[in-house]
Amino acid sequence: GNSVTQMEGPVTLSEEAFLTINCTYTATGYPSLFWYVQYPGEGLQLLLKATKADDKGSNKGFEATYRKETTSFHLEKGSVQVSDSAVYFCALILVPSGSARQLTFGSGTQLTVLP
Amino acid sequence: DTGVSQDPRHKITKRGQNVTFRCDPISEHNRLYWYRQTLGQGPEFLTYFQNEAQLEKSRLLSDRFSAERPKGSFSTLEIQRTEQGDSAMYLCASSLATGTGDYEQYFGPGTRLTVT
Repeated sequence: GNSVTQMEGPVTLSEEAFLTINCTYTATGYPSLFWYVQYPGEGLQLLLKATKADDKGSNKGFEATYRKETTSFHLEKGSVQVSDSAVYFCALILVPSGSARQLTFGSGTQLTVLP
Repeated sequence: DTGVSQDPRHKITKRGQNVTFRCDPISEHNRLYWYRQTLGQGPEFLTYFQNEAQLEKSRLLSDRFSAERPKGSFSTLEIQRTEQGDSAMYLCASSLATGTGDYEQYFGPGTRLTVT
């Protein structure tokens, strides 16, 4: 089956620190990969995506590179801010898929950034 | 258009009662999804619609759960004879399926269900 494994949290960093959240996946086909972010009291928001191997998704200073050889999609940011405090979810979707276009999510990583 | 909306945002019910949630997708989106998220976990897929047709249901969707999208616009998710294990956040998402794909799903704020 398809699955996503994220590094366990919570992660606590000081402002301006470097962030890495690890994500690895297993999939029976050729997935597209996503990072979603969930701020307190809000719904999931798409942060970035990559649809094929070696693609780099980027948004708001966050980056992640689709590594097929290591089946990974690690999230990075060079300098985090207090406003980045949230829960981050790695996810995949199989493309093409003969069945549901369902996202498969990891369990999430809680990030807290201290001033 | 302000995105996907869900109603209610919170629902507290007693075990054995029926509950119904509503989701209004982004207006031009033809696909609609329901997910369930329990505390400390990522969302898990329940079911999805393309227009008014329900095309896939997860094994998580027991026979106490039913979802509809009667006119291909809003959707409802009903849980009959609620159990404490149904307590979770129920998320709705929508997407636009095109010839090249439909991979971006936009999520609503969710309905938090508490079964006492």
